[in-house]
Parts: sequence; structure tokens; C-alpha cells
Amino acid sequence: KQEVTQIPAALSVPEGENLVLNCSFTDSAIYNLQWFRQDPGKGLTSLLLIQSSQREQTSGRLNASLDKSSGRSTLYIAASQPGDSATYLCAVRQGLGNFNKFYFGSGTKLNVKP
Amino acid sequence: EPEVTQTPSHQVTQMGQEVILRCVPISNHLYFYWYRQILGQKVEFLVSFYNNEISEKSEIFDDQFSVERPDGSNFTLKIRSTKLEDSAMYFCASGEGRGTQYFGPGTRLLVL
Repeated sequence: KQEVTQIPAALSVPEGENLVLNCSFTDSAIYNLQWFRQDPGKGLTSLLLIQSSQREQTSGRLNASLDKSSGRSTLYIAASQPGDSATYLCAVRQGLGNFNKFYFGSGTKLNVKP
Repeated sequence: EPEVTQTPSHQVTQMGQEVILRCVPISNHLYFYWYRQILGQKVEFLVSFYNNEISEKSEIFDDQFSVERPDGSNFTLKIRSTKLEDSAMYFCASGEGRGTQYFGPGTRLLVL
């Protein structure tokens, strides 16, 4: 069974710092990987989606990379801001055709201090 | 910008009662999902739905659970006889294809 792990579990950085969040998965046979942010008591907001054939995706200050063979993805946040404070989750999608299962990591709780 | 909506935002029920959680996915989306998140734990996949039938379900999604798309806009999750351990945040999500999923704000279910 697929296991998704995120390290670190929590991270506190001063505003302006660049940072990297890590996600690893045990089964490399994934269809895609998605990064989300979750604010306390709220739903999940999609940040970036990387297909299994891609190496990275960028959106604004965010860059996500994927190394499928080694079972790793990273989310790079440039010039962090207090508004980036949230829990960041990665999730992998496995399956064929319309038959898919989804596995989430437990998240990295980020606190960006002003 | 279109978004997924869920009702109610909070629901409290007695053990053994039936609950129905409602979701309105983004209108042109074809794929629908339910997830749950027990407090302090990972988000867990429950079920995916496409073309008016279940595509995939997890081990959690047993006979106590069912999903339905009763009309062109709503997507519901029914729990027939709630248990204490069903207390969780339930998220609905939708997507155009097998790409990005868009999540609703969730329904917090508390079973007493």
C-alpha cells in the first residue's frame, strides 16, 4: 500500500526566507502528485499539480519538483510571507483509467514569522 | 471564480442516526470525490464517482456509506447508521478530468 510521508512535520521561519518542503512516497507507480495548502478549519486549496511525466511545475513563488523514480517531491517557496503560514499537504494519485486512489501525507505545518 | 460548496458546515448527530452530507461541485466538472479527515490525522480518500457510478472506493467506504448524484448539481454522501468514529471533517472535491481536484470547505460531523 502506498505510504506518503512529509518532512518536516512543522517549520518556523522568518519572513523572506526561501524554504523547501519534502514529500516522499513508497510506490513510484503514480499518475500525478498534487500539493495543497490547508488553513485551520478550512478546506484544501490546490497549489500545483505535477503529472508523472513531468519534472516540475511553477506558479508564482512556488516551484514543485518530482523525481518519480526515487519517490520524492519538493515544494520550494521563495521569499516566504506571513500569509504563507498554513499546513502544506502532498497527495499522490494512483490507478488506471477512471479507477484511482489517492493518498495524502500528514502535512508540514509552516509558520512564517513577520 | 467557481467553487465547490458544501452543506451543512457543521452537523451534530446521535450515534445510529443517518446523515446526509451535501456538495455542489463546480458545474462543468465530471469527476467527484469524498474525503474525510479525522481531527489531527491525514486526509483519507473515501470514494470517487464518474459517469453516475462509483469509480473507486477505499476500505473505509463500507456498506454504511453511499453516494448519489440525485440531480444535475448535487452530490451527496450518506452515512446510514453513524458511529462515534465517523466524527470527522468531510470534504467533497471535483475535477474536470484526472488532473487538479478542487475541494469544498468541508462539513464537520460530530457523532455523540
